[in-house]
Amino acid sequence: GENVEQHPSTLSVQEGDSAVIKCTYSDSASNYFPWYKQELGKRPQLIIDIRSNVGEKKDQRIAVTLNKTAKHFSLHITETQPEDSAVYFCAANTNSNTGKLIFGQGTTLQVKP
Amino acid sequence: ETGVTQTPRHLVMGMTNKKSLKCEQHLGHNAMYWYKQSAKKPLELMFVYNFKEQTENNSVPSRFSPECPNSSHLFLHLHTLQPEDSALYLCASSQGQGVKPQHFGDGTRLSIL
Repeated sequence: GENVEQHPSTLSVQEGDSAVIKCTYSDSASNYFPWYKQELGKRPQLIIDIRSNVGEKKDQRIAVTLNKTAKHFSLHITETQPEDSAVYFCAANTNSNTGKLIFGQGTTLQVKP
Repeated sequence: ETGVTQTPRHLVMGMTNKKSLKCEQHLGHNAMYWYKQSAKKPLELMFVYNFKEQTENNSVPSRFSPECPNSSHLFLHLHTLQPEDSALYLCASSQGQGVKPQHFGDGTRLSIL
């Protein structure tokens, strides 16, 4: 079946450094790739998304890149801050009609001050 | 942000009880979703509704029974649950199906005794 693999499962960086989280997907028909941030005890919040008609999207310190040929996409956070510490989930849609998303396993990011 | 509201926030029930989870969205969306979030597992889609019609059932056991009376409300009726059903149940909504951003509620933390 369809799946999304996410790496690494944990990531620790020093404040000010960059963080990169990578995901691969299996369904070649996937065309929508959101990223969610979930702080402890809180709801997942959409931080950025990308559609398959573009290769890169940026929003301030956050960027996402997509390689359709290789079926992988990555989240890049620059100038990390302690408040970036959270669990980050990538996802890919598998059915454009129903909005079904398959999520990665999550990456726990710790930004050390 | 109170766009998607879930009640109750916490629920403890025995395996023979019957209870219901409620979700309400105030975003004017017309698609709603139920997800299950277990420890150390990816977010799992359970059901999708679009304009009150179920469009996706991700092979969910019949002890979970969803109900969508209108585009703003979604229920998950629970009966004869098992201990492995203990998890965080998240509701989400989006403006239409397909490649549309999904916005999550805070979830209901369910514990089965």
